[in-house]
Amino acid sequence: EPEVTQTPSHQVTQMGQEVILRCVPISNHLYFYWYRQILGQKVEFLVSFYNNEISEKSEIFDDQFSVERPDGSNFTLKIRSTKLEDSAMYFCASSEPAGGPLVFGPGTRLTVL
Amino acid sequence: RKEVEQDPGPFNVPEGATVAFNCTYSNSASQSFFWYRQDCRKEPKLLMSVYSSGNEDGRFTAQLNRASQYISLLIRDSKLSDSATYLCVVNEYGNKLVFGAGTILRVKS
Repeated sequence: EPEVTQTPSHQVTQMGQEVILRCVPISNHLYFYWYRQILGQKVEFLVSFYNNEISEKSEIFDDQFSVERPDGSNFTLKIRSTKLEDSAMYFCASSEPAGGPLVFGPGTRLTVL
Repeated sequence: RKEVEQDPGPFNVPEGATVAFNCTYSNSASQSFFWYRQDCRKEPKLLMSVYSSGNEDGRFTAQLNRASQYISLLIRDSKLSDSATYLCVVNEYGNKLVFGAGTILRVKS
């Protein structure tokens, strides 16, 4: 069964550092997403991406965040200057049609010290 | 009002019990609806899509009531392996899918 993959599984960084989280969506899916989940809280939408453009983004997705599809397979989330409150599980997801259903990757646990 | 609301539980039920979860959503223009399951520290996994006519998949039945803006999930003959957090997910518009906070189910022997 096709799956979404994410690397690394766990990233530890110092406050103020830049991090790049990587995802490989399912190959025939056209819509890509990043969500995050702070420990003990709900899954929160960050951004959706289609046709090499951001299609929706939340209030959380401020100027510190950016997304890119650098080649035909990878989809990345960059956080320019990490804060303590960025510590969370970051999930990448993809879908074939707009509006879901989404297939999620296993997540990257980001710890900001 | 929260976009997607769920009773957080936990629902503690014995094996074999029937349990039902409800979810309400605020945006009447919402397009599509899903139930996901999330195990501790894992990614959400699609349990089922929810259609206006209602749909069933084995022991699981989902219903959508657009007039009242709620979605339900019924689990029959609960198994220990059903213990998880159940997430209600609503596509409000475009490509934005919004998650509820989840309902915790614990099935005990």
